[in-house]
Amino acid sequence: GAGVSQSPSNKVTEKGKDVELRCDPISGHTALYWYRQSLGQGLEFLIYFQGNSAPDKSGLPSDRFSAERTGGSVSTLTIQRTQQEDSAVYLCASSLGGGGQETQYFGPGTRLLVL
Amino acid sequence: AQSVAQPEDQVNVAEGNPLTVKCTYSVSGNPYLFWYVQYPNRGLQFLLKYITGDNLVKGSYGFEAEFNKSQTSFHLKKPSALVSDSALYFCAVSLNDYKLSFGAGTTVTVRA
Repeated sequence: GAGVSQSPSNKVTEKGKDVELRCDPISGHTALYWYRQSLGQGLEFLIYFQGNSAPDKSGLPSDRFSAERTGGSVSTLTIQRTQQEDSAVYLCASSLGGGGQETQYFGPGTRLLVL
Repeated sequence: AQSVAQPEDQVNVAEGNPLTVKCTYSVSGNPYLFWYVQYPNRGLQFLLKYITGDNLVKGSYGFEAEFNKSQTSFHLKKPSALVSDSALYFCAVSLNDYKLSFGAGTTVTVRA
């Protein structure tokens, strides 16, 4: 079956530009997560969606970061006025439910490079 | 607060030898523990998890892990490593929520 998909796979942008990263979760999964993987910080939690609601946005590093989820499915992570420190791999995951015991299944990631 | 430590940045073993990747955790409560593997330029792939019950958990590709509450450890093991097991391995923990806290990762190299 289809796994989590993300697009684009790679994105190069100039400092100050806005970028949108897309995630398509596994069909039927109600929970969706965004993580960031960078050399200096390892894997960091960014945001969690249950359905279309985001009860925990605590991991978003600044107000330049925002995310939404529509129709209980696709999610978009938007970074405004990108900075070089935003360069990282952005990983999306989904799970059947939102409990801590649920297995999160990850997409291949979007590699973002801010010049 | 919850945290995970992977004390070894790198593990090198010969093909056919046993492989162990270490993980210790620090949480206030009963943890859910996970192992993921990442191949170059790929996302994280789920290997196995401990929720409750039997301390020995078996997962994908012949991997297993043992939950040890007294030592707060969840080491990943494989009796006979393959060259194709060479990858980056992450241990992760969650409590009764949804947020995974990951270790820094351990690079495994299996030489032929």
